[in-house]
Amino acid sequence: DAGVTQSPTHLIKTRGQQVTLRCSPKSGHDTVSWYQQALGQGPQFIFQYYEEEERQRGNFPDRFSGHQFPNYSSELNVNALLLGDSALYLCASSLDLDNTEAFFGQGTRLTVV
Amino acid sequence: AQSVTQLDSHVSVSEGTPVLLRCNYSSSYSPSLFWYVQHPNKGLQLLLKYTSAATLVKGINGFEAEFKKSETSFHLTKPSAHMSDAAEYFCVVTGKGNAGGTSYGKLTFGQGTILTVHP
Repeated sequence: DAGVTQSPTHLIKTRGQQVTLRCSPKSGHDTVSWYQQALGQGPQFIFQYYEEEERQRGNFPDRFSGHQFPNYSSELNVNALLLGDSALYLCASSLDLDNTEAFFGQGTRLTVV
Repeated sequence: AQSVTQLDSHVSVSEGTPVLLRCNYSSSYSPSLFWYVQHPNKGLQLLLKYTSAATLVKGINGFEAEFKKSETSFHLTKPSAHMSDAAEYFCVVTGKGNAGGTSYGKLTFGQGTILTVHP
């Protein structure tokens, strides 16, 4: 079992550009959540996807959007990148909406210059 | 609403001595509580979880935590530190989302405690 896999591992973008990050959940998991971890901080919840719909959302602007595919994989899109969007983006998967145990990927390190 | 406060940003211990990482939480609903560990340049690994069963929870690598509702605390302990325990530790709370609905989802993390273990 490969666990939760994220791609790419590192990314450098210019301010104002758009970026797409990808996540494949652990085998058998149908719920995916995304988190932003700024340097020296704890992860912050962005949103959660289940059955291809956004189910919960944290306090992030509309520039952050997502998608879940029928195979449960997910994408995180960020438009009009700001320097402050530089962070480690973590994807977590769980068995279903009512399951409390989340498994995390290694993350994508995004640097905005 | 839910929140987590980790009372120490850094903890330093000697190898073989006990470890105590402190965490207080706040939650509007019956919470589930977790401790995750993050080694440098690695993802988050679940150490242990409390989900309204036994209040003393045992996890991996000899760690355990006790849920104390009266004190709203969930401190992480280990009797004897090992060099490989050096990492950042996060206390996390979650509860039923959407105004008491059945779904969980949003994990709320503390700011983290960096554990240093000296030889």
